[in-house]
Amino acid sequence: QVQLVQSGGEVKEPGASVKVSCKFSGVTFTNNGFSWVRQAPGRGLEWVGSISVHNGNIKYAQSLQDRVTMTVDKLTSTAYMELRGLKSDDAAVYYCAKTFCGGDCYYPDFWGQGTLVTVSS
Amino acid sequence: QLVLTQSPPASASLGASVRLTCTLSSGHNSYAISWHQQQPEKGPRFLLKLNSDGSHNKGDGIPDRFSGSSSGTERYLSISSLQSEDEADYYCQTWGSGIQVFGPGTKVTVL
Repeated sequence: QVQLVQSGGEVKEPGASVKVSCKFSGVTFTNNGFSWVRQAPGRGLEWVGSISVHNGNIKYAQSLQDRVTMTVDKLTSTAYMELRGLKSDDAAVYYCAKTFCGGDCYYPDFWGQGTLVTVSS
Repeated sequence: QLVLTQSPPASASLGASVRLTCTLSSGHNSYAISWHQQQPEKGPRFLLKLNSDGSHNKGDGIPDRFSGSSSGTERYLSISSLQSEDEADYYCQTWGSGIQVFGPGTKVTVL
């Protein structure tokens, strides 16, 4: 069965970078990818971006595209999301989600447990 | 522009039914969506993918009490025989041209 295990919480200073990992198992590479979705305290879900394991296609939210990088290491079955130049409003729980992908990625169908990123000086 | 709006908070008694609405922006009536549940202090859980014709595919282990339907730009999530564990925030999500969009969520309270 599918399992997604995310790395632990992080505390970073403004301007720093954070890299969150998502180790997966039970995921086939065909028609699958990973989305990253964040949720600030008391707020709704915000799509950060998606990467297709199927064809390598990557898309980022326009508001974050200059600061975010997503990768997948097939050898270690781990997806990564790096966010640079952290600001206070980047503080959120970041979720990794297995996503059904074709040419693009479409919808999350299995969620990780989330990683809390705190931004504080 | 692809935008989702959701119905206001809902409350219903244990054992009753509730229907949530997710509305796609004008011109997007052929779009499919997905529904996700987030119980208090937990991460989201995928419920189902809902097509414009009302056909839907549920996630693993999702009870039959959850179902979806569609009409025009509206997408619905119906929950019957409400249980205490159904008290949660419910988010709809859609996609297009490589981007994904989430609705603002609807809170369901079970009385």
